Order: sequence, then C-alpha cells, then structure tokens
Amino acid sequence: DIQLTQSPSFLSASVGDRVTITCRASQDISSFLAWYQQKPGKAPKLLIYAASTLQSGVPSKFSGSGSGTEFTLTISSLQPEDFATYYCQQLHSLREVTFGGGTKVEIK
Amino acid sequence: QVTLRESGPALVKPTQTLTLTCTFSGFSLTTSGLCVSWIRQPPGKALEWLALIDWDDETYYNASLRTRLTISRDTSKNQVVFTMTDMDPVDTATYFCARINVEAAGTFDYWGQGILVTVSS
Repeated sequence: DIQLTQSPSFLSASVGDRVTITCRASQDISSFLAWYQQKPGKAPKLLIYAASTLQSGVPSKFSGSGSGTEFTLTISSLQPEDFATYYCQQLHSLREVTFGGGTKVEIK
Repeated sequence: QVTLRESGPALVKPTQTLTLTCTFSGFSLTTSGLCVSWIRQPPGKALEWLALIDWDDETYYNASLRTRLTISRDTSKNQVVFTMTDMDPVDTATYFCARINVEAAGTFDYWGQGILVTVSS
C-alpha cells in the first residue's frame, strides 16, 4: 500500500504569510501527485496536478514541487479565501488511489 | 461542461446495503483515460478513496473494503452505480463521485457536490 503522510496536520498563519505543506509518499510515485483545497461543506477543488502543474483557473500564488517521495505545496501570500483544508493525492496506479490525511490552515 | 451529481438515500439502517448513483454529463466514460470514482469523507475526517471504474469497464477497489463494494456503469444513461453492503454507523459520511483524468496524471478533475449518508437504526 502507498501511504501519503502530510505535515503539518494543522497550521495557524496570518494573512500575507508564505505557507508550505509537505506530503511524503511511502514509495516512489514519480510525479503522480495532486493537491486539492477543500472548504467546509464543499467538494475538494483541484489546485495542482502532476506535482507541479497548476490547474487552469487556479491563481499562481499556489505552486507545487517535488518528485519521487517528497512533495510540497506552497501558498506564496495567504489570503482570507485560502483558509481551508488541503489534501494531497496519488494515483501511481489505478489499482490504488490514496489521499493524505489533510492539512487544515487556520487564521492566527 | 462537465458535471456529476450523486443521488441515493440520506439514511440507511445498519446491515443494509447502500446504493448510490452518479449521473454525469459533458464526457463519455468510454473515452480513453477517463474514469469515475467514489470517495467518502466521514464528518470532520479525511477523504477516503473507495472504488473506480475506467473507460474499459475495468473496476478497482480499496483493498480494505473490497469485499463490500461494487461499482458498475450504464453508458447509455451516463451513470455509475455504487453499492456498499453491510452498512455500519462508522460508514456515516459524505459520499462523492468524481471524474479521474488519467491523461492529467490521474487527478480528480471534476467532483459532484456529495451526498451525506447517515447509518442509524
């Protein structure tokens, strides 16, 4: 089984802060990693796919990097609408899809 | 325009079988590289992948729940049907269907709004 471990699980930050979230895979998944943003009561929204490709319509303040087993999502300048929970997800094989445990970003 | 919508019961009793339908539009599930999947999220908890069906009608399941799950499709109706047997209160969750685009590195690029299913007697 491929496990995804996100850190931190909770993050308190201020408007304007630069924020970085890490996702570690238990085995090499190449660049088959995506990041999602979820707000309460809503479905997740795709932000980044293939580890670093910005989904159409997503602001460039979001960026992703990494390959293999370590990945990061960075928000360059946190805005009020960015306070949400963020999830990583891998699909190295259709036989096994995994989500990370989530990182909740709250206002300090 | 791609849309997906979940439908089914909001309340099921313990031991019953849950049947959910995902009705989609804006794409064909016979198009190479496209899949429809089910994901759930218990209240206040993380997302959990459950099952998917691909363009070739191949099915894949979460190994820990495999014996309880079935996913199938009706391409003429643009629907994917999901069943989970022997429901338990711990299965209370919002159930989402979503499209997977293998060509975009296997991402869930479109999601339904989700349906909250409560398991209680």
